[in-house]
Amino acid sequence: AQTVTQSQPEMSVQEAETVTLSCTYDTSESDYYLFWYKQPPSRQMILVIRQEAYKQQNATENRFSVNFQKAAKSFSLKISDSQLGDAAMYFCAYRSDGGGADGLTFGKGTHLIIQP
Amino acid sequence: DVKVTQSSRYLVKRTGEKVFLECVQDMDHENMFWYRQDPGLGLRLIYFSYDVKMKEKGDIPEGYSVSREKKERFSLILESASTNQTSMYLCASRPILSGTGIPEAFFGQGTRLTVV
Repeated sequence: AQTVTQSQPEMSVQEAETVTLSCTYDTSESDYYLFWYKQPPSRQMILVIRQEAYKQQNATENRFSVNFQKAAKSFSLKISDSQLGDAAMYFCAYRSDGGGADGLTFGKGTHLIIQP
Repeated sequence: DVKVTQSSRYLVKRTGEKVFLECVQDMDHENMFWYRQDPGLGLRLIYFSYDVKMKEKGDIPEGYSVSREKKERFSLILESASTNQTSMYLCASRPILSGTGIPEAFFGQGTRLTVV
């Protein structure tokens, strides 16, 4: 079974600075997807960024980028120029690419605090 | 935009009651999921469905059942609610990957269930 580990229960960063959230995972599969989801106080889970394991290039979405290290099974999220609206719970998630209806395996989350 | 709608944001039920949580998606997705979210535990998969009338157990199915009579609707049923089922419940949907290029799941806004 796959596992996802987020070792930072809480992180705090000053507005406009950069913060990196860590995620490691364990799998024996070679084809899979990795995601970062954001959950603000509204509770709506929002996709931040996704990475296909077969792609070597790290995904980027505006101020959000990942450092995907497949051999090390590491998938960290970097948020540049942090904004107050980035304050939320962030979940790292894994999904097999086995072609089935597999659900996501989530980490326990990192609570990100943005200091004004 | 994909819309996944859960029928209630907050529910309070009594121990022993039969509880129905409803979820509807408007994007003709084949796959639908129910997760439970608890502080410090992240999200855990309860049940999922890949087609009408089809269902598969997730990681924590005990005490729950599901129903999918129509493609757009996926219901979670607590046969006899207990206090340890007090939690946040999140519904999600996603299309089959082939032909869509969309591996991520889309979430509803969550139902916070309290069993007293």
